[in-house]
Amino acid sequence: DTEVTQTPKHLVMGMTNKKSLKCEQHMGHRAMYWYKQKAKKPPELMFVYSYEKLSINESVPSRFSPECPNSSLLNLHLHALQPEDSALYLCASSPAGTPGGYTFGSGTRLTVV
Amino acid sequence: DAKTTQPPSMDCAEGRAANLPCNHSTISGNEYVYWYRQIHSQGPQYIIHGLKNNETNEMASLIITEDRKSSTLILPHATLRDTAVYYCIVRVSGGSNYKLTFGKGTLLTVNP
Repeated sequence: DTEVTQTPKHLVMGMTNKKSLKCEQHMGHRAMYWYKQKAKKPPELMFVYSYEKLSINESVPSRFSPECPNSSLLNLHLHALQPEDSALYLCASSPAGTPGGYTFGSGTRLTVV
Repeated sequence: DAKTTQPPSMDCAEGRAANLPCNHSTISGNEYVYWYRQIHSQGPQYIIHGLKNNETNEMASLIITEDRKSSTLILPHATLRDTAVYYCIVRVSGGSNYKLTFGKGTLLTVNP
């Protein structure tokens, strides 16, 4: 298995809702990432987990809460989002500590209404 | 990680070679050059990376100048499906550096 699987592919949520994005990989990668991408902009790094521990938080607002329950799963819990949080959320994984490339999922298209 | 400079857009005729340049004049000795591409509405796709030597895989070739201050990604026979934004990224790899930072990239349009 050489893929990163993200669910759901599309999500519409209200500003008072709580939802979660899910990411899964079975390549044995020990580093996993969340990126956010607005239209016509490059992806922006949000969080990095290495060996299931949060190693980088790029000053992301607390309404985004990441979780890495095991080496194959990465979640992003969403609460009280704003319309400007609407974006494509990308998950990626990579081997830890080696020059290997990152494998990205196809993303979750999030719309906050 | 060193900064990179890429042209904002390029055109290429289908079947011809696409040569995408990247300038990274401040690159350090332990920094790798990575190339990714992103086809519209999809996640980025890893293409190739290199440190000093030229590299080739089934997707592309990477040519790095001897002083390492610039590189060129070559798609030997471009197809319409190669239309995408191509990102050149320079970063220290391995150890505890997990950051992969995207710049604005080059929009390559392959024309019939």
